[in-house]
Amino acid sequence: TQLLEQSPQFLSIQEGENLTVYCNSSSVFSSLQWYRQEPGEGPVLLVTVVTGGEVKKLKRLTFQFGDARKDSSLHITAAQPGDTGLYLCAGVSSGGSYIPTFGRGTSLIVHP
Amino acid sequence: GAVVSQHPSWVICKSGTSVKIECRSLDFQATTMFWYRQFPKQSLMLMATSNEGSKATYEQGVEKDKFLINHASLTLSTLTVTSAHPEDSSFYICSARDLLAGYSYEQFFGPGTRLTVL
Repeated sequence: TQLLEQSPQFLSIQEGENLTVYCNSSSVFSSLQWYRQEPGEGPVLLVTVVTGGEVKKLKRLTFQFGDARKDSSLHITAAQPGDTGLYLCAGVSSGGSYIPTFGRGTSLIVHP
Repeated sequence: GAVVSQHPSWVICKSGTSVKIECRSLDFQATTMFWYRQFPKQSLMLMATSNEGSKATYEQGVEKDKFLINHASLTLSTLTVTSAHPEDSSFYICSARDLLAGYSYEQFFGPGTRLTVL
């Protein structure tokens, strides 16, 4: 079973602060997705990264895929209360049956 | 694009009854659908992988006779919780992978079904 370590598990910050969420693994991934989920709803895809060293930006969110495709990070600049939610990373390995492995999730609360 | 619907969004049932949850990909074809269970403030726990036209593959510890999965078409998969008990109460979420997604292996999630067993 692949492990995808996600940290931190909980994050409570003030509006305007920056934060970074990490996903790390010893496995190489063909692709890695980041999702955001609000209570009582399904996860919504934010981004997919597939190339080692890739950096993608989505407004105030910056996603990075490690050179070796084993880790990824999500950085949020100037967090806003609307960023509050559960952030999930999911990796798909090319060596298996392409079943995604999810991290434990990061529960983010941004206080106004 | 890439919309997945789930029905019902919530259901309350009596202990011992069976509940069917539908998952549909509305604007794409999905050879593979996944069923997850999620507890409050926790990540998704994969229950089974459903491939169109074949038997579902269940994760270790998930009872296949209790959680019946059928993937009869490229746009529909169903999860039936048989003889439900209060411990089956949870948030069930499905996801679908686009046949044409290629190497990105993206999956798109339904809105989830809240099951409460009394």
